[in-house]
Amino acid sequence: GNSVTQMEGPVTLSEEAFLTINCTYTATGYPSLFWYVQYPGEGLQLLLKATKADDKGSNKGFEATYRKETTSFHLEKGSVQVSDSAVYFCALSAPRSGYNKLIFGAGTRLAVHP
Amino acid sequence: DSGVTQTPKHLITATGQRVTLRCSPRSGDLSVYWYQQSLDQGLQFLIQYYNGEERAKGNILERFSAQQFPDLHSELNLSSLELGDSALYFCASSVDPLQIGYTFGSGTRLTVV
Repeated sequence: GNSVTQMEGPVTLSEEAFLTINCTYTATGYPSLFWYVQYPGEGLQLLLKATKADDKGSNKGFEATYRKETTSFHLEKGSVQVSDSAVYFCALSAPRSGYNKLIFGAGTRLAVHP
Repeated sequence: DSGVTQTPKHLITATGQRVTLRCSPRSGDLSVYWYQQSLDQGLQFLIQYYNGEERAKGNILERFSAQQFPDLHSELNLSSLELGDSALYFCASSVDPLQIGYTFGSGTRLTVV
């Protein structure tokens, strides 16, 4: 079946450090891939997306490239800020399900210290 | 404000009781999705409605049911509640999940005591 695997957290970084959160997926066909962010006490917000292989999604300094050969969609940011502290979820939407539902990874908590 | 409204924000109830969670989707979105977020299970897809009709079903218990009304708001009904049903319940809506993705509400935190 379709699934998403994320690196376990928490990830603790100092401000201005480089961030990578690994995400790999298993899916039939060509899924769409997403990163969502959840700030404390809030719902999930779409951070970025990619709908086909080699697409790069980017937003607010975050980037992720859809790599079909490695079935990966790693999230990166060159210089994190304290305000980036949140839980990050990788997700996929698979064509077999008619793109009807998102399948989420377990989430990775990021804590950025001044 | 994401445009997806969920009420109530918090709910505390006893085991065996029944509750109703409400969701109003973003204006123009015909699809509504319900998700459950718990510490041990993560984010689990429960059910999707599109313009009043059930479209997809996930890991939804038989004690749970949902519906979408003509004005497109949706309700998730949870009955015979157990301690393990304590979780955050999110509603999301979308007009084009492939191109735009989903917009989530801020959730309802259910505590069963």
